[in-house]
Amino acid sequence: GNSVTQMEGPVTLSEEAFLTINCTYTATGYPSLFWYVQYPGEGLQLLLKATKADDKGSNKGFEATYRKETTSFHLEKGSVQVSDSAVYFCASYGNNRLAFGKGNQVVVIP
Amino acid sequence: EAGVVQSPRYKIIEKKQPVAFWCNPISGHNTLYWYRQNLGQGPELLIRYENEEAVDDSQLPKDRFSAERLKGVDSTLKIQPAELGDSAVYLCASSLSDGEYYEQYFGPGTRLTVT
Repeated sequence: GNSVTQMEGPVTLSEEAFLTINCTYTATGYPSLFWYVQYPGEGLQLLLKATKADDKGSNKGFEATYRKETTSFHLEKGSVQVSDSAVYFCASYGNNRLAFGKGNQVVVIP
Repeated sequence: EAGVVQSPRYKIIEKKQPVAFWCNPISGHNTLYWYRQNLGQGPELLIRYENEEAVDDSQLPKDRFSAERLKGVDSTLKIQPAELGDSAVYLCASSLSDGEYYEQYFGPGTRLTVT
């Protein structure tokens, strides 16, 4: 089945810093890939997605590129804000199921 | 447009007691999902409904968990009896269709603590 692996541990950074969260996937075939975000006290929200190799998903200044050669879908943002503090989940879709990574808590300090 | 509604938001029970969670999906969404999210983990699918039919319940622990979706709208997830290991956040999500991926919209979840 499909699965995703996210980098370990929370991420703490200063406002306007560059953010990268690593995600790699394992799947049969080429799954659709997603990043979800969970703000404090709220439900999971779709942040961005990519459905095929070399696609770039983008939203709210975040970007991720579907890399088939490295089976990766790393999330990046050039200049984070305090309001970006949340938990970010990478996910892949295959066999009618979403498989989520463990999530990374991002804390942005003013 | 109202989002996915779940209740209660929090529940504390003693082990061996029953508990039930309720979900009201977004109007018109025919696919409904229940996920369990353990602390520090991502959500894991428990069951997926297409209208009234449970089309994927392979990860539902059927000895103690049950679910229903009467009339293809609201859904209830039940645990009886609860065990300490059931402490988690139970998430409900809905989407327009699951034949090809459509965005899943998640509710805020029910945080269950079993003591």
